[in-house]
Amino acid sequence: AQKVTQAQTEISVVEKEDVTLDCVYETRDTTYYLFWYKQPPSGELVFLIRRNSFDEQNEISGRYSWNFQKSTSSFNFTITASQVVDSAVYFCALSAPGGGYQKVTFGTGTKLQVIP
Amino acid sequence: DAGVIQSPRHEVTEMGQEVTLRCKPISGHDYLFWYRQTMMRGLELLIYFNNNVPIDDSGMPEDRFSAKMPNASFSTLKIQPSEPRDSAVYFCASSLMHTGELFFGEGSRLTVL
Repeated sequence: AQKVTQAQTEISVVEKEDVTLDCVYETRDTTYYLFWYKQPPSGELVFLIRRNSFDEQNEISGRYSWNFQKSTSSFNFTITASQVVDSAVYFCALSAPGGGYQKVTFGTGTKLQVIP
Repeated sequence: DAGVIQSPRHEVTEMGQEVTLRCKPISGHDYLFWYRQTMMRGLELLIYFNNNVPIDDSGMPEDRFSAKMPNASFSTLKIQPSEPRDSAVYFCASSLMHTGELFFGEGSRLTVL
């Protein structure tokens, strides 16, 4: 069975602070994909990143960075120098052959509020 | 390029009425998904299609729900009869084969009174 746990339900930070959103996943498959999606207050879900299980290199994209650690089954997301526009619900997700690669399992989301 | 297009954006109906939600996926995408989002249950996959063929409908809550994809550019999700517990935001998403990267529509917010 596949499972994604986002233990942080809500986080509030002051603008310009760094913030890390945690994601822990479970799967019996050795090959899988991990994702992060953003859902701003307007409601649509926006893809941020996909990571292959064979690629443990950390990724940086502007103020966003992702830390993938297979040893702890974690795929954490850090926003550096947060901005008000980062306020959203962030979802971590997993797809693996055991569930059918196209069946993406989402975590429950972490609501991030960036206070000006 | 146009993204995934859903209609209606908002629907308010009374219990027992039929509801039809519509989706136009991104051109060229092989997969189409219907998700439901509620506060209690989060994002749930209801059904997905590959090349217009339903592959897995195990997430469809009950027989009141049905989905079709008559061609590569159109899909519907129908609820008949609707119940208040069906109130949710319904998302349609599409993706290319094996990428897993989902492109979501803006969602259809359904309220059943």
